[in-house]
Amino acid sequence: VQLLESGGGLAQPGGSLRLSCTASGMEFSTFAMSWVRQAPGKGLEWVSAINGNGADTYYADSMKGRFSIFRDNSAGTLHLQMNSLRTDDTAVYYCATYDGSEPFAFWGQGTLVIVS
Amino acid sequence: SYELTQPPSVSVSPGQTARITCSGDALPKKYAYWYQQKSGQAPVMVIYEDNKRPSGIPERFSGSSSGTVATLSISGAQVDDEADYYCYSMADSGAHRGVFGAGTKVTVL
Repeated sequence: VQLLESGGGLAQPGGSLRLSCTASGMEFSTFAMSWVRQAPGKGLEWVSAINGNGADTYYADSMKGRFSIFRDNSAGTLHLQMNSLRTDDTAVYYCATYDGSEPFAFWGQGTLVIVS
Repeated sequence: SYELTQPPSVSVSPGQTARITCSGDALPKKYAYWYQQKSGQAPVMVIYEDNKRPSGIPERFSGSSSGTVATLSISGAQVDDEADYYCYSMADSGAHRGVFGAGTKVTVL
């Protein structure tokens, strides 16, 4: 299993950014997926999750209404649309598998988002 | 909002047992999961569903849970086990809310 994030970079407060995660070596549509972030020098924070067919989505309270998770199973990609960005959204964003019995069994290497 | 409480740091001598606790009100009903994160790297799962070890994780890593406290134990700790360790679980609120503990820095010296 390989997960490769992209789309990170510098954004202004109030701006938007879309992150992507490309999966390989797995039957992508059978895995629920998740985003986890880590602010510089801080701990892990669960951001959002989505089930295998994309019908069910979940968000941490601080992201609800600003972030949107979605997936393209035909392309093997997971996305996180981030709007109304704030400086405290600055973090490395990881995508990870979110299987019911083994959440976060596989992780990407992360993509850095800086809001400044 | 739901919180999982971990000690900020644990120190252990090589060969001794390190124990990291994770406290949360929902743990009697929800599984605990544990992740190891070395500096500059993505996290790695070391324990799932309270006490199961993924393939490839050394036997010296074990987990247990009793009441509102889950515990990760590292028996015969090695210098290579120095890392941050995070517990993860779910709130028992009906809504799907995942939560990580704040992390515990394990030092082996």
